[in-house]
Amino acid sequence: EAEVAQSPRYKITEKSQAVAFWCDPISGHATLYWYRQILGQGPELLVQFQDESVVDDSQLPKDRFSAERLKGVDSTLKIQPAELGDSAMYLCASRLAGSYLGNEQFFGPGTRLTVL
Amino acid sequence: DQQVKQNSPSLSVQEGRISILNCDYTNSMFDYFLWYKKYPAEGPTFLISISSIKDKNEDGRFTVFLNKSAKHLSLHIVPSQPGDSAVYFCAASSNSGYSTLTFGKGTMLLVSP
Repeated sequence: EAEVAQSPRYKITEKSQAVAFWCDPISGHATLYWYRQILGQGPELLVQFQDESVVDDSQLPKDRFSAERLKGVDSTLKIQPAELGDSAMYLCASRLAGSYLGNEQFFGPGTRLTVL
Repeated sequence: DQQVKQNSPSLSVQEGRISILNCDYTNSMFDYFLWYKKYPAEGPTFLISISSIKDKNEDGRFTVFLNKSAKHLSLHIVPSQPGDSAVYFCAASSNSGYSTLTFGKGTMLLVSP
């Protein structure tokens, strides 16, 4: 069964360091999302790609976060410098292009980030 | 302002009984609703969805009910099984913008044998 792959699964870093997360969506899924989930909260959208283009990054803290999907397939989310408040689960999701109706998002296992 | 609300942080149910998880929303533009299930250290997995043109959708032990006038939906699990113990997220989407999902905070369901 096709799955969304993410790595690493766990990352511990010190504040002010740079971190990067990688996501490989399900083959053929043109739409890719990065979410952040803080413990006790629901996932919150950081950035949405359609193919290689960013279509929504309104909630991405652009002073320290960046995301790219250069060839429209896999994607990287970077934080530089990391802050204590960035400790969270970072989730990647993908779905087929087209209508959102009946076209659910599939999530990867996430990367658990701890900033010390 | 939270647009999707799950007011019960947790729910405990005995195996074999019905589990009812509730969700309220405030945005009238939402027209597609989903439930996701999440185990610890895993990503959310899609469970069931409902369009606003329906008031009920059923898939095996899982049924979602939508009350548009009350802006309320609920997920019924019958019968509940210990393997259903997880966090359940309600999510909503609309045709505006980029059709992103707005999630609630989740309800942790514990099904005891």
